[in-house]
Amino acid sequence: GQSLEQPSEVTAVEGAIVQINCTYQTSGFYGLSWYQQHDGGAPTFLSYNALDGLEETGRFSSFLSRSDSYGYLLLQELQMKDSASYFCAAFYYTGGFKTIFGAGTRLFVKA
Amino acid sequence: DTAVSQTPKYLVTQMGNDKSIKCEQNLGHDTMYWYKQDSKKFLKIMFSYNNKELIINETVPNRFSPKSPDKAHLNLHINSLELGDSAVYFCASSQDLRGAQETQYFGPGTRLLVL
Repeated sequence: GQSLEQPSEVTAVEGAIVQINCTYQTSGFYGLSWYQQHDGGAPTFLSYNALDGLEETGRFSSFLSRSDSYGYLLLQELQMKDSASYFCAAFYYTGGFKTIFGAGTRLFVKA
Repeated sequence: DTAVSQTPKYLVTQMGNDKSIKCEQNLGHDTMYWYKQDSKKFLKIMFSYNNKELIINETVPNRFSPKSPDKAHLNLHINSLELGDSAVYFCASSQDLRGAQETQYFGPGTRLLVL
């Protein structure tokens, strides 16, 4: 079956750099997305990687290695407002395009 | 201006009742989804519609019935509500399922509590 694994919680201090890993097992894999969700809010799109390598968007970067079925989200210059849940999501094709979400990583940013 | 909107935002009801949640997107997208997010924050897809046609129907009880009157709307009707249906239900949309890149835009969620 299709599955993704990511750590349940990560804690870091303000101003630091944190990496949230995601490993996936999907057939017909197309790409990996990352979403951010604050408590009480809706998931919002952060990034999408279809090719190997690093994609940078401001303080956030996302990396994909298709050969290792692995990706990560890198958050730099952490701010308190970055405290949220982060979901990786695999986009794949099996008789149709589908998306499966990981269970989410809760990031706590401390002062 | 809201891209994906849902009503109601909160829904408190008794077991056994029937309720509906409405979703509308003004992004011109072809594909819409319903997700259920439980208390552990796990996001599980329930249904996906592409241009008013059902594409994905995950293992969801028959009590849940989606309806898409047009590609900008995807409503969810739930019959005979059970305690386990209590969750946050998110509607989402994306441009086109056939693309090799997919970004989903989520509505604000409907917090359903079944008593």
